[in-house]
Amino acid sequence: ETGVTQSPTHLIKTRGQQVTLRCSSQSGHNTVSWYQQALGQGPQFIFQYYREEENGRGNFPPRFSGLQFPNYSSELNVNALELDDSALYLCASSFRDYYNEQFFGPGTRLTVL
Amino acid sequence: DAKTTQPTSMDCAEGRAANLPCNHSTISGNEYVYWYRQIHSQGPQYIIHGLKNNETNEMASLIITEDRKSSTLILPHATLRDTAVYYCIVFTGTASKLTFGTGTRLQVTL
Repeated sequence: ETGVTQSPTHLIKTRGQQVTLRCSSQSGHNTVSWYQQALGQGPQFIFQYYREEENGRGNFPPRFSGLQFPNYSSELNVNALELDDSALYLCASSFRDYYNEQFFGPGTRLTVL
Repeated sequence: DAKTTQPTSMDCAEGRAANLPCNHSTISGNEYVYWYRQIHSQGPQYIIHGLKNNETNEMASLIITEDRKSSTLILPHATLRDTAVYYCIVFTGTASKLTFGTGTRLQVTL
């Protein structure tokens, strides 16, 4: 059984740029959730995708968007990067039709300069 | 989702049991208690969850009080590798998001 993987591991961007982060779900999972974790804080929910549709969104602006593909992999896109977007971005997959125990990937560390 | 309260930090000697408390006095009848931990700079790791009965797995035990207003995560024989931030979360199995607080930073020492 393959766990949740994320790419890239680290990324450095400048303010105003756009970034795409990728996540491969654990085998058999149909749901992916994205979280942002600032330094010293707990993860904050961005949104969740279930069967390629957005299924819940946290308090994040529209410049945070996502996609889920038929193979249940996912992308997180952030436009017009701001300094405060610097954080660890976590992807979690689950099998929503059973219960929503979420399994997390290792994260992508994004630094915005 | 119900709010949880956890101590900011705890210490435990290696080989001893680590008992991590969590208060969730506003928990609803359909909300589970979940525990995750996060080792420095890694993604959160699922530990255990329960509804109203005590639960045990290979990692830990979860004790939930009869009124479900609080719970305790027990690591029976803590090792240095158990040093991490431990998060207690309550949510329904069908909710989309996990609401993380600031957790308890457990430091296991020699």
